[in-house]
Amino acid sequence: AQRVTQPEKLLSVFKGAPVELKCNYSYSGSPELFWYVQYSRQRLQLLLRHISRESIKGFTADLNKGETSFHLKKPFAQEEDSAMYYCALSGVTGSARQLTFGSGTQLTVLP
Amino acid sequence: EAEVAQSPRYKITEKSQAVAFWCDPISGHATLYWYRQILGQGPELLVQFQDESVVDDSQLPKDRFSAERLKGVDSTLKIQPAELGDSAMYLCASSLYGSTDTQYFGPGTRLTVL
Repeated sequence: AQRVTQPEKLLSVFKGAPVELKCNYSYSGSPELFWYVQYSRQRLQLLLRHISRESIKGFTADLNKGETSFHLKKPFAQEEDSAMYYCALSGVTGSARQLTFGSGTQLTVLP
Repeated sequence: EAEVAQSPRYKITEKSQAVAFWCDPISGHATLYWYRQILGQGPELLVQFQDESVVDDSQLPKDRFSAERLKGVDSTLKIQPAELGDSAMYLCASSLYGSTDTQYFGPGTRLTVL
C-alpha cells in the first residue's frame, strides 16, 4: 500500500523567512511525487512534480529516496504563498496507478 | 482556458435520499477521476475512468455508490441511499492520459447529509 504523511497540519512563517513543508511517503516501487496547492477560493492545482526538477513560484522539492521524503522548500516566503499544500504520490495499487494525497499543510505567511 | 466543470456546487439532502453529481472534464482528456475529500483530510480516490472504462474502483463503496462515463466524456457519480458519513466535498479531475499526468480539478460539490 502507498501512503503519504504530512506531519504538520498548520505552519506559520513571517514574510521573507524560509519555509519548508514536510512530506514523507511509503511505497515499495519507484514513486512519482507531486505537490498540489489550493489557494483560498480556488481549485486544487499542480504546483510541481519531482520528475520535472523545476522551480515553480520559487518553490523546489527534492526527492530523497533514502529518507523517503519530498519536502517542499522556498527560501523567502511571500504573503501570496498562503494556501493549503498537498503532497501526493502516484503509484500502482492493485492493477491501476493512482494518486494518493497526504492530509495537507495549511501555510500562513504573516506580514 | 479550459476547465473541469462540476454541478451542483452545493447539495443538501436527507439521509436515505439519492444524490447525483455531474462532471464535465477538459475536452480531450481520456482519464477522469472522482475523489472524496472529508474535512481536514486530503482527497481520496473513489473511481478512475480511462475513456468509458473503469480502471480502478477499489475504494468505491459499491453498495451505495455508482459511477458511469457512458460516452467517455462527462461522468455522473451517484449515492443511493445517502448516509450521514457521506457529507464531504466530491471532486472531479481529469488528465490527458493517466495519474502520472497533471490532474486538473473541478471546483467540487459540497454534500451535506442531514
